[in-house]
Amino acid sequence: DTGVSQNPRHKITKRGQNVTFRCDPISEHNRLYWYRQTLGQGPEFLTYFQNEAQLEKSRLLSDRFSAERPKGSFSTLEIQRTEQGDSAMYLCASSPRTRLYGYTFGSGTRLTVV
Amino acid sequence: QKEVEQNSGPLSVPEGAIASLNCTYSDRGSQSFFWYRQYSGKSPELIMSIYSNGDKEDGRFTAQLNKASQYVSLLIRDSQPSDSATYLCAVGGNAGNMLTFGGGTRLMVKP
Repeated sequence: DTGVSQNPRHKITKRGQNVTFRCDPISEHNRLYWYRQTLGQGPEFLTYFQNEAQLEKSRLLSDRFSAERPKGSFSTLEIQRTEQGDSAMYLCASSPRTRLYGYTFGSGTRLTVV
Repeated sequence: QKEVEQNSGPLSVPEGAIASLNCTYSDRGSQSFFWYRQYSGKSPELIMSIYSNGDKEDGRFTAQLNKASQYVSLLIRDSQPSDSATYLCAVGGNAGNMLTFGGGTRLMVKP
C-alpha cells in the first residue's frame, strides 16, 4: 500500500501524559500537513512541511505541540502534557503540489485524553 | 467570520435525486477548490477539484465554481445511499501551500 500511513490508529492517554504520532507520506510527495478534526467540524490546519523544513504553523499549535520531519521523510507530531481538549482525530496528509492535486489523507490517529 | 462556510445539514434527498451542496469562501485570491467526501469515522477522500469558473463533470459528480460570487458547489446526480457522508469543501489560497476546510455538509440519501 503506497498511501499515507499513520500510527497508531487509536491512542488513549491520561491527562498530563505525552503522546507522539507518526505519519509516513506517499514517497514522491514532498509536502506534508498535519490537521486536527473534532466531531462535527472540518479539519483545522496545524502545520506544514516542505521536505524537512517546517514552513507554516497555526496559532492552534501551542507550545505543547511540536512536529518534526527529519530528512524530509516521515513526520512525528508530539503533544506534551495532554489536556482533555486535545481529544480529536489527528490527520496527516501529503501532496506533490497542493494547488493542483489537493491532499491525500492518511487514516488518522484518534486521540482520547481521559 | 469563517473563511470557508458550508451548511452543516443534514441534507436529505431520496435515492435517484440530485443532491446540491454549496460552499462560500472569503479569500478573493483563492486559486484552487476541492471537494472531499468523509464517511463516519474515516478520513477525507478527494472526489473533485476545480480551478476555473464554470462546471467540471466527473461521472455522477459536477463541481461548479463562480469566483465573482466566491461560491463553489457540488452536484451529485442519481444519488445513492452509498453517497451518504459528510462533504467537505476545501479552498487553496494564493500561496497554494495549504487548504482551508469548511465545516462540512452531512448528506443523507434515503432509499
